Amino acid sequence: QQQVKQSPQSLIVQKGGISIINCAYENTAFDYFPWYQQFPGKGPALLIAIRPDVSEKKEGRFTISFNKSAKQFSLHIMDSQPGDSATYFCAASKGNTGFQKLVFGTGTRLLVSP
Amino acid sequence: NAGVMQNPRHLVRRRGQEARLRCSPMKGHSHVYWYRQLPEEGLKFMVYLQKENIIDESGMPKERFSAEFPKEGPSILRIQQVVRGDSAAYFCASSPILTGTSGYEQYFGPGTRLTVT
Repeated sequence: QQQVKQSPQSLIVQKGGISIINCAYENTAFDYFPWYQQFPGKGPALLIAIRPDVSEKKEGRFTISFNKSAKQFSLHIMDSQPGDSATYFCAASKGNTGFQKLVFGTGTRLLVSP
Repeated sequence: NAGVMQNPRHLVRRRGQEARLRCSPMKGHSHVYWYRQLPEEGLKFMVYLQKENIIDESGMPKERFSAEFPKEGPSILRIQQVVRGDSAAYFCASSPILTGTSGYEQYFGPGTRLTVT
């Protein structure tokens, strides 16, 4: 049972374009939604995260949009650069349990062409 | 400020041997999580520990796998009698104490890539 569905599986964007990755979740108890960036052979690095009390969060070129009623959230990478080429994972967790067991999406492999 | 440390980075074991993976959390972090990543897949939760306590091991296979986080020293993920299906990247993450609006963040180590031959 996959609790967080991520799409697309892979994405090719031209340099300077906007990369958009989408995730949908099922469990309404989730209250923390991070995005991780992973380069080959490395561990996931926390990129940006959002709580459900806001609909959007922006940090530099990265923006999370959150739609609580639709149970969806997305990552937008503005002015995409070749250095952004990596695998991106969305995740979700339930804070009210007192610990943060992250449920991950299956990942999106992003390639930004020069 | 050192991040999460894991060793070894690469581990090769023959079928039937034991694998021991170590994780030292970030300074000031008392919560440790272990995740497994199979090739071309996302990360799957295995176990959550605090010092001397296993809080949630719902993602751990029932046999051959165990984890500990002793009062002193790193957290250990132990896999006994490894099989080829155990080949994967094992990641450790740590987080600070959850306090209402903070402490949700998990920071990952570089992982241990286990290959079973």
